[in-house]
Amino acid sequence: QKEVEQDPGPLSVPEGAIVSLNCTYSNSAFQYFMWYRQYSRKGPELLMYTYSSGNKEDGRFTAQVDKSSKYISLFIRDSQPSDSATYLCAAYKAAGNKLTFGGGTRVLVKP
Amino acid sequence: SQTIHQWPATLVQPVGSPLSLECTVEGTSNPNLYWYRQAAGRGLQLLFYSIGIDQISSEVPQNLSASRPQDRQFILSSKKLLLSDSGFYLCAWGAGGRGTEAFFGQGTRLTVV
Repeated sequence: QKEVEQDPGPLSVPEGAIVSLNCTYSNSAFQYFMWYRQYSRKGPELLMYTYSSGNKEDGRFTAQVDKSSKYISLFIRDSQPSDSATYLCAAYKAAGNKLTFGGGTRVLVKP
Repeated sequence: SQTIHQWPATLVQPVGSPLSLECTVEGTSNPNLYWYRQAAGRGLQLLFYSIGIDQISSEVPQNLSASRPQDRQFILSSKKLLLSDSGFYLCAWGAGGRGTEAFFGQGTRLTVV
């Protein structure tokens, strides 16, 4: 079992819709959680970073962490074609000093 | 501000040839440095990470090695490439200490032929 699981998609939505992305993790030692966006043939770009359970909002993006369920989410409101990319979730635990990534979900926002 | 440089962007190498990919970070000192590989349509596999000069941990036994000759320089090498070494290689840095988020370079697409 992978420590961080993510549906590979693709997830196709019409422009303006809400994009909902999810990850589950198995290790309760994970303390910090991140979402990255990766365009084709580019390096991942950090979008959101969260520590505690609850919501964190940044513009059109909202990250949610539920540590009791070991579940993390990213919501993109008013989606744009430029949001079409692969979204990677990542989790960090102090022991090991490294990030563990999900496999990524490919998102397509159709105009 | 911090920046990370990784080169080359693309590389085509024959089987059995050597490899050297270089990554440098500017604007920070004593960063954690990482090498990841991403196979097509798949997630990121951590290959090596380093918390300081000559302090490198290997995550996966393989045909590759890493070195950190200077604080902000990280090199990925191979003496003899295999077909299975093809992939998208990403260098990243993290602040260490708090040691959480990582910031990525633009990647090197390696094709072994």
